[in-house]
Amino acid sequence: DSGVTQTPKHLITATGQRVTLRCSPRSGDLSVYWYQQSLDQGLQFLIQYYNGEERAKGNILERFSAQQFPDLHSELNLSSLELGDSALYFCASSAEVAGIGELFFGEGSRLTVL
Amino acid sequence: AQSVTQLGSHVSVSEGALVLLRCNYSSSVPPYLFWYVQYPNQGLQLLLKYTTGATLVKGINGFEAEFKKSETSFHLTKPSAHMSDAAEYFCAAHTGTASKLTFGTGTRLQVTL
Repeated sequence: DSGVTQTPKHLITATGQRVTLRCSPRSGDLSVYWYQQSLDQGLQFLIQYYNGEERAKGNILERFSAQQFPDLHSELNLSSLELGDSALYFCASSAEVAGIGELFFGEGSRLTVL
Repeated sequence: AQSVTQLGSHVSVSEGALVLLRCNYSSSVPPYLFWYVQYPNQGLQLLLKYTTGATLVKGINGFEAEFKKSETSFHLTKPSAHMSDAAEYFCAAHTGTASKLTFGTGTRLQVTL
């Protein structure tokens, strides 16, 4: 158990819809990262927050947004969903801002867009 | 831009045989290097990491990796494979100058009897 909790574990929705994925980081970790894992793109970094502030941005679409709340949990919002958004979305947390330490991953949220 | 290349998307070894998973990085500065393992239906778990110092790094479950700057490589090895090692393995690199850990495409390790 990594200590990182992601909900929901599975989500099936239709094209055009909007979903929210939630992540609770490991106790004491201030950094939260979001990654997308798909068969064709592999593991892609989406975005990082550190103590409520956006720290780094990767290959995140404009239809996607995220935030980190004062209690340090984070949400990833995916809107106007397309078939190609079907993937496993991972949240990871770490104690430091630079990301050179160990990342602790949750078990992921599997999104299926029909 | 930094990139990580893992040679071989699938590797199959017999139980008890040597495991060798290859990773090469492309970076203008020596990066921090990591190997993560993903078991079915689970998140990624850190196996080992190289930051500075000794170039031979030992990790969990008997795995080790050697940082070779001249070859820009960080190959993962284990002397004797176990059935429980069957998983997907990801090499990753971080230059430390930006908050982004770049992953390779992964290598699925199959262990046969």
